[in-house]
Amino acid sequence: KNQVEQSPQSLIILEGKNCTLQCNYTVSPFSNLRWYKQDTGRGPVSLTIMTFSENTKSNGRYTATLDADTKQSSLHITASQLSDSASYICVVGGGTSYGKLTFGQGTILTVHP
Amino acid sequence: NAGVTQTPKFQVLKTGQSMTLQCAQDMNHEYMSWYRQDPGMGLRLIHYSVGAGITDQGEVPNGYNVSRSTTEDFPLRLLSAAPSQTSVYFCASSHVDSLNSPLHFGNGTRLTVT
Repeated sequence: KNQVEQSPQSLIILEGKNCTLQCNYTVSPFSNLRWYKQDTGRGPVSLTIMTFSENTKSNGRYTATLDADTKQSSLHITASQLSDSASYICVVGGGTSYGKLTFGQGTILTVHP
Repeated sequence: NAGVTQTPKFQVLKTGQSMTLQCAQDMNHEYMSWYRQDPGMGLRLIHYSVGAGITDQGEVPNGYNVSRSTTEDFPLRLLSAAPSQTSVYFCASSHVDSLNSPLHFGNGTRLTVT
């Protein structure tokens, strides 16, 4: 069964600090890996999309890495801001169909002043 | 562009009632889909469509119907609501020319079935 596991489940950091969120997956075949940010009460918003051949992709202060051999990804947030408080969702695409997206349960990040 | 618009934002139903959750997008996306989000679980796909007149089932389709008569609209129908359908529902859309196109989500409909 395709699965996406994220860790930690929740994380609290101080404003200005860096943090790294983890995503492990057992999706096969693999098409791409996506990170989304979901603010409370809102829909998820895309941060990055990486294919098999990409191992790093950045979007401002967000940097995602992908190791397709170990089936692991991380999302690194630099110089955190209060607005970074949200749930971060890892999504893995398998095969050639949009129906094959597997969602992780998310990591809830709280940034304190 | 408004993006993906979902209505209503909140809804309370009694068991057995029916209702339609509305979803509209103005980005000319071919692909549209419905997900439900429950506490402690990842989003799960209910139904999806790759174009007008074409729909298919996702992971959890039971109890839900969809139709796609236009590119812009993709309503989700609950024929006889059950407490197990209490959830937050998200509509999402994307282009289908590349699996690397991001999904664009609406802001959800929070449904409670009593």
